[in-house]
Amino acid sequence: QKEVEQNSGPLSVPEGAIASLNCTYSDRGSQSFFWYRQYSGKSPELIMFIYSNGDKEDGRFTAQLNKASQYVSLLIRDSQPSDSATYLCAVNGAAGNKLTFGGGTRVLVKP
Amino acid sequence: NAGVMQNPRHLVRRRGQEARLRCSPMKGHSHVYWYRQLPEEGLKFMVYLQKENIIDESGMPKERFSAEFPKEGPSILRIQQVVRGDSAAYFCASSPLRDGVNSPLHFGNGTRLTVT
Repeated sequence: QKEVEQNSGPLSVPEGAIASLNCTYSDRGSQSFFWYRQYSGKSPELIMFIYSNGDKEDGRFTAQLNKASQYVSLLIRDSQPSDSATYLCAVNGAAGNKLTFGGGTRVLVKP
Repeated sequence: NAGVMQNPRHLVRRRGQEARLRCSPMKGHSHVYWYRQLPEEGLKFMVYLQKENIIDESGMPKERFSAEFPKEGPSILRIQQVVRGDSAAYFCASSPLRDGVNSPLHFGNGTRLTVT
């Protein structure tokens, strides 16, 4: 079992719709959860982080965390073509000294 | 620009040569992480360092790879006797806290290593 799992996609979303990305993790002691966006050939860029169960909203992005189910998700509202990228879920485990990344979900927003 | 600085951006080496990748963390950050990303794959942790100390090298291959973060100067990831399978993007990230908890990592632009 991979430590952090994501559906590789591509997730195809019409412009203006909501994109929903999911991530599960295996380390029950994980403390911090991050979403990074990575455009092709570029470096990962932090877009959201969440530490507590529930929802956290930032602009068009909402992160949702459910520690009991070991599940974190990212919603992108009013998706734009510029949102087309790979979204990486990252988890800071109980040891707390490194981020473990999922394989990423590729999102394609079609005009 | 006070971001994480990596150089070179692109590095081409022939099989058997050495590759040296450099990373200067963000101002005020004393902890450095190296990650490797193979084509079409996610980021894989390699090593976590603070000044003059290797904290966690559990992701480093046992041979040919080494990393350091001296008291003065950038962190260096060194790959000896490179092979084609070493071709990848190598990203450095930094954080201000010892364990990174509640502190997101900030990534540099990466070094893209090509082994011919």
